[in-house]
Amino acid sequence: QAVVTQEPSLTVSPGGTVTLTCGSSTGPVTSDHWPYWFQQKPGQAPRTLIYDTINKHSWTPARFSGSLLGGKAALTLSGAQPEDEADYYCLLSYSGAGIFGTGTKVTVL
Amino acid sequence: EVQLVESGGALVQPGGSLRLSCAASGFTFSHAWMSWVRQAPGKGLEWLGRIKSRIDGGTTDHAAPVKGRFTFSRDDSKNTLYLQMNSLKTEDTAVYYCYYYYDSSGRYHCDYWGQGTLVTV
Repeated sequence: QAVVTQEPSLTVSPGGTVTLTCGSSTGPVTSDHWPYWFQQKPGQAPRTLIYDTINKHSWTPARFSGSLLGGKAALTLSGAQPEDEADYYCLLSYSGAGIFGTGTKVTVL
Repeated sequence: EVQLVESGGALVQPGGSLRLSCAASGFTFSHAWMSWVRQAPGKGLEWLGRIKSRIDGGTTDHAAPVKGRFTFSRDDSKNTLYLQMNSLKTEDTAVYYCYYYYDSSGRYHCDYWGQGTLVTV
């Protein structure tokens, strides 16, 4: 089974910009992997921020955006807020079967 | 209001079986694509599988680590999703979530999670 890899941790200053990436052991990530991005805060269920590479839900803050970057899926946070401190997970689809990434802990400091 | 309520989590011996339920309300369950996701204590998320709506074939997809041991099903008449887990291992210890993420009638994405139910093996 594929391994989906994310940065273990990233730190961003308040108001700063950070990009999280999501790579696949099988090769470049494409839109055919239908990348999702989730945010999870301690003690809470995850919440979807981005689906199908770039699409946002109505509750997704405008400062989050999804893309494909250098063969990976990417989540960019522009203008980080203290409330964005959380764990972030990508999810890739492999012919219908999903695999979560290893997760990135984002610290806003 | 959309609600997903999981139940059935318990302490079970290795090799045992357990069936989790996810009772849905507040939306047209028969149109929903549903997934199961778990999270071991202090660990990341693990996708277990999904089941499509009946109008989209009602087919299932499984994660490789649980294929052959875990079975997904749904009873649209009861608005309930099920996860049958057999041959349980200690590494199956986790909080199990059901997740509603797509409506096949309106063709729109959504994001609703249950509160999670703890399975300890």
